[in-house]
Amino acid sequence: DGGITQSPKYLFRKEGQNVTLSCEQNLNHDAMYWYRQDPGQGLRLIYYSQIVNDFQKGDIAEGYSVSREKKESFPLTVTSAQKNPTAFYLCASSITGAPDQPQHFGDGTRLSIL
Amino acid sequence: DAKTTQPTSMDCAEGRAANLPCNHSTISGNEYVYWYRQIHSQGPQYIIHGLKNNETNEMASLIITEDRKSSTLILPHATLRDTAVYYCIVVAGGTSYGKLTFGQGTILTVHP
Repeated sequence: DGGITQSPKYLFRKEGQNVTLSCEQNLNHDAMYWYRQDPGQGLRLIYYSQIVNDFQKGDIAEGYSVSREKKESFPLTVTSAQKNPTAFYLCASSITGAPDQPQHFGDGTRLSIL
Repeated sequence: DAKTTQPTSMDCAEGRAANLPCNHSTISGNEYVYWYRQIHSQGPQYIIHGLKNNETNEMASLIITEDRKSSTLILPHATLRDTAVYYCIVVAGGTSYGKLTFGQGTILTVHP
């Protein structure tokens, strides 16, 4: 089935360690997004990409990095510079980045600090 | 983006229609109304969206008032699996990308 796959479902990070969250889609969507969701709070945009080899910072990009080398893949690296990384991370994609195109989400990765 | 206001929680009997209201009184002419829902520990699920006209798909109907200041999401025959947090959001048109900003949403509980 077509969809968005995030892995792993749960991830633990040690202090000073970088970790990479995977996001793969087989929907042939051009645009991909990374959001962060904290308990009892809404979504906050970390990075987005409207096309391969291009990406833009969202509202809370500090301490994160991304790449978009392939249309179907948009991995997110949480670096040691991110001081409060514990959160639920959600990847989404849409046909284009236009506002009238709905974003479809994966099932998320829950990151915790050891 | 315009702010939205939703009731904190609602209940619905299984098999009955669930009508979820949303107020977006400051919406601009080019802003879309989107509805998503989220079950605990899962990613949000897209339900429906609209600009001015009422919309219907296999999941739900969206009724937007003529002045566009409020809308109602209708789940015609609610099931227990429809229990979730429902988010009404407004997405600005005329921009290069659609950033989603979720508020607190409405916790819908469907009872047997």
